This record gives sequence, C-alpha cells and structure tokens, in this order.
Amino acid sequence: GDSVTQMEGPVTLSEEACLTINCTYTATGYPSLFWYVQYPGEGLQLLLKATKADDKGSNKGFEATYRKETTSFHLEKGSVQVSDSAVYFCALEYGNKLVFGAGTILRVKS
Amino acid sequence: GAGVSQSPSNKVTEKGKDVELRCDPISGHTALYWYRQSLGQGLEFLIYFQGNSAPDKSGLPSDRFSAERTGGSVSTLTIQRTQQEDSAVYLCASSFDRLDYEQYFGPGTRLTVT
Repeated sequence: GDSVTQMEGPVTLSEEACLTINCTYTATGYPSLFWYVQYPGEGLQLLLKATKADDKGSNKGFEATYRKETTSFHLEKGSVQVSDSAVYFCALEYGNKLVFGAGTILRVKS
Repeated sequence: GAGVSQSPSNKVTEKGKDVELRCDPISGHTALYWYRQSLGQGLEFLIYFQGNSAPDKSGLPSDRFSAERTGGSVSTLTIQRTQQEDSAVYLCASSFDRLDYEQYFGPGTRLTVT
C-alpha cells in the first residue's frame, strides 16, 4: 500500500540555521501531500499541503514542493527559530485516510 | 470557532476493563476519523465515518475495537477488554467532507492500561 518515509531525527539546529526534512512517498496515482506539526503539549496541526505535482505549499516560513519525478515532498525553512521546535510529520492521503511518516523531532537551540 | 474536542484527556484503566473515548468534531464537518499514536507504531489510521455511509473500519487492530457516530456528529471509540498494548494517544480528526483532506485534529486522549 501507499507509504511515507521521512528522515529520522532528532534534528538539532542552532537558531537561524537552514532546515531540510526529507520526505519521500510510495503511492499509486498522485495523492495530496501534507506536513503536519505537533508542538510540545499540543495536538497535530496542518502546516502546509500540496494537491498536485509541482505545487508548492507554504506557511510560517516553511515550504515544500510536490516533486512527482522524485516522489518527494521535502520540508524547508531558511531560518529556524526556537519556537519551531516540534515533531514534524509528512503524510499523504490514501482513500479515506492519511498515511503518516514516523515523524521527525526538530530541536532548535538559541 | 470551536475545534475538535475529545474527552477524557487522560484515562488510566486496568487490563481487562472496557473504555469509551469521545470525540466532538467541528460543527458542519461530515467526515470524522480516529487515529492512534503510539511509540512503536507511530500514527495509525483506525476508522473513518462519512455522513450516513458505512464506516471504513479497515484500520481497527482487533474486534475489541469498535466505534460509532450518532446523528452524524459525536463519535465514541470503545475498546473492550483492554490490553497493555492498547496504551497510546487516541486522536480524533474531522474534515468538511471526504474530498477535503485538510483534517483538523483534537488534542487526543492518552490511554494508559496498567
């Protein structure tokens, strides 16, 4: 079935560093792709999404581009802040549900 | 407006007992989902409701798990004869309809089976 693989963490960065969290997927067809974020002590929140190839999703300085040729949806941010410390989940839609990656812990130090 | 709410926020139960977890979706959302988040398995889909259609139960791990959705709104997830491996955070999400994959998640219920 459809699946998502994302880079293992934790990823530890200094404030203002560049961030890339890799995400690749296996799917039949062209599913919508998502990044969800879970801040400490909070529930899952949608960060951004892309519904077709070459779409770029963006929010809060984060971006991800739907790359059909490489089946990827890498999350990027040019300058991270301490407040970005969270767990990030890549996901795709499959039938009636979301299929999630394992999650990547991001820690940003001041 | 109000988001997805779940109750209780925490539940500790003894092995073998039954538990009920409740989810109130966002008003007007016709699609409702249950997921489970555990250390060993990550985020797993459990069940999906869409309007009055038969639910998609393909993610339920065993017949001890069941869920219902009354009046197209509130949903209850029931786990019978709980086992220690059922310990996890149970997440509910809703979306406007099945074609809107922007799911809004509740805060979850942390279930601990002792």
